Amino acid sequence: GESVGLHLPTLSVQEGDNSIINCAYSNSASDYFIWYKQESGKGPQFIIDIRSNMDKRQGQRVTVLLNKTVKHLSLQIAATQPGDSAVYFCAESVYGQNFVFGPGTRLSVLP
Amino acid sequence: SQTIHQWPATLVQPVGSPLSLECTVEGTSNPNLYWYRQAAGRGLQLLFYSVGIGQISSEVPQNLSASRPQDRQFILSSKKLLLSDSGFYLCAWSGRGEEAFFGQGTRLTVV
Repeated sequence: GESVGLHLPTLSVQEGDNSIINCAYSNSASDYFIWYKQESGKGPQFIIDIRSNMDKRQGQRVTVLLNKTVKHLSLQIAATQPGDSAVYFCAESVYGQNFVFGPGTRLSVLP
Repeated sequence: SQTIHQWPATLVQPVGSPLSLECTVEGTSNPNLYWYRQAAGRGLQLLFYSVGIGQISSEVPQNLSASRPQDRQFILSSKKLLLSDSGFYLCAWSGRGEEAFFGQGTRLTVV
């Protein structure tokens, strides 16, 4: 289940640096993973996804890495910008159903 | 294109009053539908998900219920609200094996 009782950890990075946000997932049967970005007062927005038959996928300025051995997912953001400041969630699912979200990480971009 | 509508955006309700939040999806058929709750500064808690009309799975026992009277309509209800029901409620839909798309959320304050 979700870590509903935990406050969000925060990652602070300087503008222009690379950011790495980590996520541990719980279900070894999960085969589809997504990173979402949530800005204050809004619903989460899709950033990038990866299926279990891959270990890396790249998008525009973002890369997702999947390590199934240790059930770990990471999101790398290159050249972090002020507009990247938000809360980032990973989500896992089996056959694209019943998405379970991680506790989230707040990314704060410093000028 | 597919869109998801969730209303109202904000709601203030007294303790003990009933609740009905509605979510509808357009532009797709037989979607998976989800209700999540997010407490302030915290992660997303899956409350209910549905893979078809009349098919509801409850993830967390609580004061809430969900119904899916039509293929693209998902309703979150309560007969008597508690203070602890306050939060940000998010509806989402997904296709089979695809990412979930979120509505803009309803901020519920129980007073």
